[in-house]
Amino acid sequence: EAGVTQSPTHLIKTRGQQATLRCSPISGHTSVYWYQQALGLGLQFLLWYDEGEERNRGNFPPRFSGRQFPNYSSELNVNALELEDSALYLCASSLSKLEAFFGQGTRLTVV
Amino acid sequence: AQKVTQAQTEISVVEKEDVTLDCVYETRDTTYYLFWYKQPPSGELVFLIRRNSFDEQNEISGRYSWNFQKSTSSFNFTITASQVVDSAVYFCALSEADTNAGKSTFGDGTTLTVKP
Repeated sequence: EAGVTQSPTHLIKTRGQQATLRCSPISGHTSVYWYQQALGLGLQFLLWYDEGEERNRGNFPPRFSGRQFPNYSSELNVNALELEDSALYLCASSLSKLEAFFGQGTRLTVV
Repeated sequence: AQKVTQAQTEISVVEKEDVTLDCVYETRDTTYYLFWYKQPPSGELVFLIRRNSFDEQNEISGRYSWNFQKSTSSFNFTITASQVVDSAVYFCALSEADTNAGKSTFGDGTTLTVKP
């Protein structure tokens, strides 16, 4: 069974541009979670999508947005990129309280 | 608000030494879940263990063991006879009872380096 997959693996953008990151959850999982992991820091919760709806949002500005498609895959969009947006963005999917499964992440570099 | 503190930023040990990674948490919930994840250089978080707040029984899995103490709000992780392959960043996380495991509060992680 395929795990959580994220694309692209690496992304380099210029300040002010927009970045789009993609995530496919484990088959059968309806919830997708996005986290930002800045260098040397822990994971900061960004967004939670379930059944196509945004369920919860972390303490991030509105230029961080996303959506979930009918097949439960998800996109994270970051507009007006800033240098401090450079981080590893991790996607997770979960079916229950018991375990979450993470992808390998997209490393976004803003120059 | 929930908070997870991993006071040890970096730990370096020599192979075969035992090492304990500390985790202290704060929550107002009476029901919650605690997790440990391992993050190798590839970036993907690997689930290691889950504990719910009503289960204080310690657990051992091979060289790994976990000590959960509600009285001190701690959930510490010990690796016995460490190996080079244990080198990674380890995260402790906390999730509320009314949400799924995917929405968790993470500590800042402890980078463990095991030298041969």
